[in-house]
Amino acid sequence: AQRVTQPEKLLSVFKGAPVELKCNYSYSGSPELFWYVQYSRQRLQLLLRHISRESIKGFTADLNKGETSFHLKKPFAQEEDSAMYYCALSGAGGTSYGKLTFGQGTILTVHP
Amino acid sequence: NAGVTQTPKFQVLKTGQSMTLQCAQDMNHEYMSWYRQDPGMGLRLIHYSVGAGITDQGEVPNGYNVSRSTTEDFPLRLLSAAPSQTSVYFCASSRDPQRETQYFGPGTRLLVL
Repeated sequence: AQRVTQPEKLLSVFKGAPVELKCNYSYSGSPELFWYVQYSRQRLQLLLRHISRESIKGFTADLNKGETSFHLKKPFAQEEDSAMYYCALSGAGGTSYGKLTFGQGTILTVHP
Repeated sequence: NAGVTQTPKFQVLKTGQSMTLQCAQDMNHEYMSWYRQDPGMGLRLIHYSVGAGITDQGEVPNGYNVSRSTTEDFPLRLLSAAPSQTSVYFCASSRDPQRETQYFGPGTRLLVL
């Protein structure tokens, strides 16, 4: 079974401070991992995916297979980063194909 | 492109009533899915479809039915609503759910009394 855990329901930081949103996963194969974000009154949207190794809006995430983690990081948080963040895992195939498993979500609040 | 659309935006039902949540996409995506979002639970997959005529169960399928007669539409049916089905429902579509983004609809907020 695939599982995603986001241990922090709420995370508060001040503007300009570094931020790290934690994500741990459980999956027996090689997963595809994503971070989705939901800003206030907006749709859930993709922030980044590990396969692209990209940086979006200053956020990065590194897949650590040894620790089974995919933490989201940003060196200098901005007020507009305040949102709900979901870590998600997609299985590599077979019976897992198409099944996207989300974590419980972390609400990030960036204070001025 | 409208992307993924959902209707209605908000619905109140009484226990035992039935209803259909509509979802449509105009991106010609083969993959579509339904999630429910509950506080502290994140998003949980209800049903999904990898193409017209093909559907499968997700993590929490009980109490919900789906069908996929066209590529564009993927309705979710509640046959006999229960208070435990009070939630926000999201529909999503993707060209490749394993490697590419899933595009989400705006959501339907359902209250079952």
